[in-house]
Amino acid sequence: DTGVSQDPRHKITKRGQNVTFRCDPISEHNRLYWYRQTLGQGPEFLTYFQNEAQLEKSRLLSDRFSAERPKGSFSTLEIQRTEQGDSAMYLCASLGAGAMNTEAFFGQGTRLTVV
Amino acid sequence: GEDVEQSLFLSVREGDSSVINCTYTDSSSTYLYWYKQEPGAGLQLLTYIFSNMDMKQDQRLTVLLNKKDKHLSLRIADTQTGDSAIYFCAESNDMRFGAGTRLTVKP
Repeated sequence: DTGVSQDPRHKITKRGQNVTFRCDPISEHNRLYWYRQTLGQGPEFLTYFQNEAQLEKSRLLSDRFSAERPKGSFSTLEIQRTEQGDSAMYLCASLGAGAMNTEAFFGQGTRLTVV
Repeated sequence: GEDVEQSLFLSVREGDSSVINCTYTDSSSTYLYWYKQEPGAGLQLLTYIFSNMDMKQDQRLTVLLNKKDKHLSLRIADTQTGDSAIYFCAESNDMRFGAGTRLTVKP
């Protein structure tokens, strides 16, 4: 296992279309985070899973956004009826359980462009 | 979620020391992190400090933690042009990030 992988790396979509991104965390990492990052900004928290349970969801996240982690391994983030303001880099990070797991590993991200 | 705040810009001359500051609100975090992001690249963990420590040194990097004031700083000694990047602090309890400090190193 070489790290967190995200697919696709780039996505261009027309406004109004639905898109789905996938994140494969590091094996046995039980915590998984989704972030959105726009140019010049820090990663903005979207949602957090511990195993298959979605424990927290940002209040800023509209109901067009939904995330799943059905088996506690990979996760998907879906955006319905995309808007131009959704254009951003979507980042996934995973972190292991326990006090010895100190580092959240990030994927390379999925860059979404809504035209 | 809790807040993490940083100043947005820092400019230094090559060879000088850089100090990047961060304040946070969640006192229950076990670790506090510094991540580095170079242009067009992903986030890379630079260093971290355990919450029961006051200081951690790692080569040119020194992290200072003031738990009472919830203040974290990153000092880069002998700053090089290759250190130009955006630096993010984050706390481990709910993995919230600051907006990032853009460090520019002038030759």
